[in-house]
Amino acid sequence: AQKVTQAQTEISVVEKEDVTLDCVYETRDTTYYLFWYKQPPSGELVFLIRRNSFDEQNEISGRYSWNFQKSTSSFNFTITASQVVDSAVYFCALSGGGYSSASKIIFGSGTRLSIRP
Amino acid sequence: NAGVMQNPRHLVRRRGQEARLRCSPMKGHSHVYWYRQLPEEGLKFMVYLQKENIIDESGMPKERFSAEFPKEGPSILRIQQVVRGDSAAYFCASSPPNRDIQYFGAGTRLSVL
Repeated sequence: AQKVTQAQTEISVVEKEDVTLDCVYETRDTTYYLFWYKQPPSGELVFLIRRNSFDEQNEISGRYSWNFQKSTSSFNFTITASQVVDSAVYFCALSGGGYSSASKIIFGSGTRLSIRP
Repeated sequence: NAGVMQNPRHLVRRRGQEARLRCSPMKGHSHVYWYRQLPEEGLKFMVYLQKENIIDESGMPKERFSAEFPKEGPSILRIQQVVRGDSAAYFCASSPPNRDIQYFGAGTRLSVL
């Protein structure tokens, strides 16, 4: 079975601090995809990144970076120099790589991030 | 290129009424997915459709819920005889033929009184 665990329910930091959101996943697929989505207070879901299971290179996009470690089944997300606008619920997610399993995305329960001014 | 369009954004229904949620995928996208987000929870997959076909409905409740994606027009998620427990945000996503990334709409928030 596929499963995504985000153990941190809520995180609150002061602006400009760095913050890491943890994500641990379970899957039996050899090919799979990992995602992060952001849900701001307005409620929409914003795609941040997709990573496939064969690519373990870390990725950096501005203040955002992602650390994918297959050995520990983790796909952590770090925001550097956090800003108030980063306040949102962040979802880690997983989908399979086969035709039938790629149809659905399995979401974690989300981490609510609050950035205090 | 317009994003995934869902309407209405907010829908209020009384118990026993029907709810119809619409989703227009992004241009060029032929795959549509519906997810439900209960309060304070993550999104849960409901159904995956291509034009005129239901591909995977493993997440759909067995009764009262149905979905379609006709040859012309938007995808429709229909909930008959709504109950209070149906109150949730319903998100639609679409993906291109290679299905690499699902792009989500803004959601429809259904409130059942």
